Amino acid sequence: QQQVKQSPQSLIVQKGGISIINCAYENTAFDYFPWYQQFPGKGPALLIAIRPDVSEKKEGRFTISFNKSAKQFSLHIMDSQPGDSATYFCAASKDFGNEKLTFGTGTRLTIIP
Amino acid sequence: KAGVTQTPRYLIKTRGQQVTLSCSPISGHRSVSWYQQTPGQGLQFLFEYFSETQRNKGNFPGRFSGRQFSNSRSEMNVSTLELGDSALYLCASSFDPSNQPQHFGDGTRLSIL
Repeated sequence: QQQVKQSPQSLIVQKGGISIINCAYENTAFDYFPWYQQFPGKGPALLIAIRPDVSEKKEGRFTISFNKSAKQFSLHIMDSQPGDSATYFCAASKDFGNEKLTFGTGTRLTIIP
Repeated sequence: KAGVTQTPRYLIKTRGQQVTLSCSPISGHRSVSWYQQTPGQGLQFLFEYFSETQRNKGNFPGRFSGRQFSNSRSEMNVSTLELGDSALYLCASSFDPSNQPQHFGDGTRLSIL
């Protein structure tokens, strides 16, 4: 199975709060897990990515948590800001990214003042 | 450094016509992938080219085809357009297939009337 399931479909968070988006995968051959951010009228842009040899990766306010046994990974956005309002996609790939990206269905995040 | 450039940005066609979309990768990038983005299906992989050869192909009908030129620029063609082909078509480039991340262009919005 090549699916990547993403939830929630939409999320509203207060400014300064923590935004959490979850993804689950089925294919244990996946070994590269990026998160992309997309603004209206723009293409997706890589936010942060993780490989399964680590359980957590942090870059600024963005953190990926990875649970290999549960086949789940999540994106945490700390101190969420209105500028973070966008659609977020998780993705997965085999062969350390050498294979095509399989994307989740996306989460529309809205940060309210 | 210029990003991935896709032309045209917007295109309106009618059923039965054919269309060609163009993608110029980031300078020095030799791998180009194409994705279709729709509200219902999300981001779906179409195909990937490297050194003028198609490396991978997604689950799309033969009406969807592509090619890559010696300067790494790529085109995709859709023949006998159907209403369901209305989508944002995204191109992504990387130095080579094993190199992540992929950098996306802003896409071509194709509308079929």
